[in-house]
Amino acid sequence: GAGVSQSPSNKVTEKGKDVELRCDPISGHTALYWYRQSLGQGLEFLIYFQGNSAPDKSGLPSDRFSAERTGGSVSTLTIQRTQQEDSAVYLCASRMVGSSYNEQFFGPGTRLTVL
Amino acid sequence: DQQVKQNSPSLSVQEGRISILNCDYTNSMFDYFLWYKKYPAEGPTFLISISSIKDKNEDGRFTVFLNKSAKHLSLHIVPSQPGDSAVYFCAASARGSQGNLIFGKGTKLSVKP
Repeated sequence: GAGVSQSPSNKVTEKGKDVELRCDPISGHTALYWYRQSLGQGLEFLIYFQGNSAPDKSGLPSDRFSAERTGGSVSTLTIQRTQQEDSAVYLCASRMVGSSYNEQFFGPGTRLTVL
Repeated sequence: DQQVKQNSPSLSVQEGRISILNCDYTNSMFDYFLWYKKYPAEGPTFLISISSIKDKNEDGRFTVFLNKSAKHLSLHIVPSQPGDSAVYFCAASARGSQGNLIFGKGTKLSVKP
């Protein structure tokens, strides 16, 4: 596709359930980022993947959060035992490493609501 | 502690006038700054950027100014158009951070016809 895609666009779940969010980056972009935006807040960095290197997980808020990137392309963000404070828009972005800019191209996001 | 601050949550401007969105930062390691624009239900889209070696970058109606001594940057939109109405995020990247961006909370711009 031409841009970053994310699925589902909306997810409503009950507290305590696990959820998986998916991101398809722009083809050829080797860097992939996950962010979340809680209500009234800016974008909060969660995790970063670059090629085959170990991911930078420094932004993950707890060990209930994990992410994978298979084959250097698609990524899934998993939240286990969801809590109400996990409700947010989860955004994925990809970037062409080696380009002259630190531009990241964002997907439309997944709005997660934990009841 | 917020490293990137956008102190105005909202701004209203008349069509044709100048919009000025402000951003302050605290981390002197930041060497690259970006502005993103976000419409409801969409992801942020890159608008304009500036490297710390410059103090101004211009792209059409959009100009970003950087004042390193004050740790302040601003985005000027002139003339403002109703289609510019969106949330604008300031973001910064630090040397060696592998492009990880630190975002401000955003400023909602409303351009009235």
